[in-house]
Amino acid sequence: AIQMTQSPSSLSASVGDRVTITCRASQGIRNDLGWYQQKPGKAPKLLIYAASTLQSGVPSRFSGSGSGTDFTLTINSLQPEDFATYYCLQDYNYPYTFGQGTKLEIK
Amino acid sequence: EVQLVESGGGLVKPGGSLRLSCAASGFTFSSYTMNWVRQAPGKGLEWVTSISSSGNYIYYADSVKGRFTISRDNAKNSVYLQMNSLRTEDSAVYFCARGEGPEHWGQGTLVTVSS
Repeated sequence: AIQMTQSPSSLSASVGDRVTITCRASQGIRNDLGWYQQKPGKAPKLLIYAASTLQSGVPSRFSGSGSGTDFTLTINSLQPEDFATYYCLQDYNYPYTFGQGTKLEIK
Repeated sequence: EVQLVESGGGLVKPGGSLRLSCAASGFTFSSYTMNWVRQAPGKGLEWVTSISSSGNYIYYADSVKGRFTISRDNAKNSVYLQMNSLRTEDSAVYFCARGEGPEHWGQGTLVTVSS
């Protein structure tokens, strides 16, 4: 199974900051990667698919990049509602695998 | 509006069985791969299983292979997860999600496996 290594596991930032979260795949996955946001007690929400395509309705301050094994999620100008946990997911092949998650907290 | 509503969760003893259901609406159900993803309390997301739109292709995580069975009824716009030989480590919120890169998720149903 493909392993997804996500970092950092936690991150403290302030409103208005720019943050970057990374995921590294144990083998090449083309651009078959999604990024999800999850708030406590809620279902995950898809932010980015195909590594860099913004899901409809998601603010443009979210962006994704990468291909092959290395991927990044960038959030520009953090807003209060962005403090949540973020996960990457490879959908290149089965079994699908998630990163361990990054908890983004307010500094 | 796309809606996915899970049901069937609850408390079950180790070794027991449970069947989860996910009722879909607001889209052409028969056109989409469906998935189950779980999240143990305080832990990350774990993909469990997927079934293709026709039901011809099914995949499982190693952790549930041989114990869990996914199925779907396109006439009823529903997907199911039959869970047998449950273990304490299967305790989690189980989410139903639509699509090969799951883009719509239900709110989840809690399964607790405990004696």
